[in-house]
Amino acid sequence: DGGITQSPKYLFRKEGQNVTLSCEQNLNHDAMYWYRQDPGQGLRLIYYSQIVNDFQKGDIAEGYSVSREKKESFPLTVTSAQKNPTAFYLCASSGGFNYGYTFGSGTRLTVV
Amino acid sequence: AQTVTQSQPEMSVQEAETVTLSCTYDTSENNYYLFWYKQPPSRQMILVIRQEAYKQQNATENRFSVNFQKAAKSFSLKISDSQLGDTAMYFCAFMNNNNDMRFGAGTRLTVKP
Repeated sequence: DGGITQSPKYLFRKEGQNVTLSCEQNLNHDAMYWYRQDPGQGLRLIYYSQIVNDFQKGDIAEGYSVSREKKESFPLTVTSAQKNPTAFYLCASSGGFNYGYTFGSGTRLTVV
Repeated sequence: AQTVTQSQPEMSVQEAETVTLSCTYDTSENNYYLFWYKQPPSRQMILVIRQEAYKQQNATENRFSVNFQKAAKSFSLKISDSQLGDTAMYFCAFMNNNNDMRFGAGTRLTVKP
């Protein structure tokens, strides 16, 4: 079945560490997105990519980085510059604006 | 820039009753889609229903229907015969033809037995 896979489901980061969240899709979608969700809050856009080897900053890109070397993959790195990284991270892809987004199951990142 | 407003942070409804969640949006575009997503405690985002701006007929998916008022920029979700499994956060979303989707802040719905 086609879908989006995020891994790991839970991730713990020590102070000063960089961590990378994985997002893979087999839907043949061109566009992919990363969102952050804090408890009881809505979704805030971190980065998005409309095509391979190209990506743009969203509303809260500081402290995060991404790459898009393959159509299927859009990993997100949470760097040590992100001072409050504890949150739920959602990856999504889009096959066109009439279909909306398909979401992964998310990664919960906790700073320890 | 497009904005989406959900004015009801929390709502509750008795099982088997009907509830309506409100959503308004602001845009200058003519061609766009509107969506309602459900996020249950598992936190998986699930598409509930979508509506194309050019279609006057309101979308319906089983117990879920929308009231789309384009001139008023309003897009409410009606859930009929509410079930315990409908308990979730509900997000209204706007998407333009650049694949740019904007979400509201969400409404937490609790269905009471």
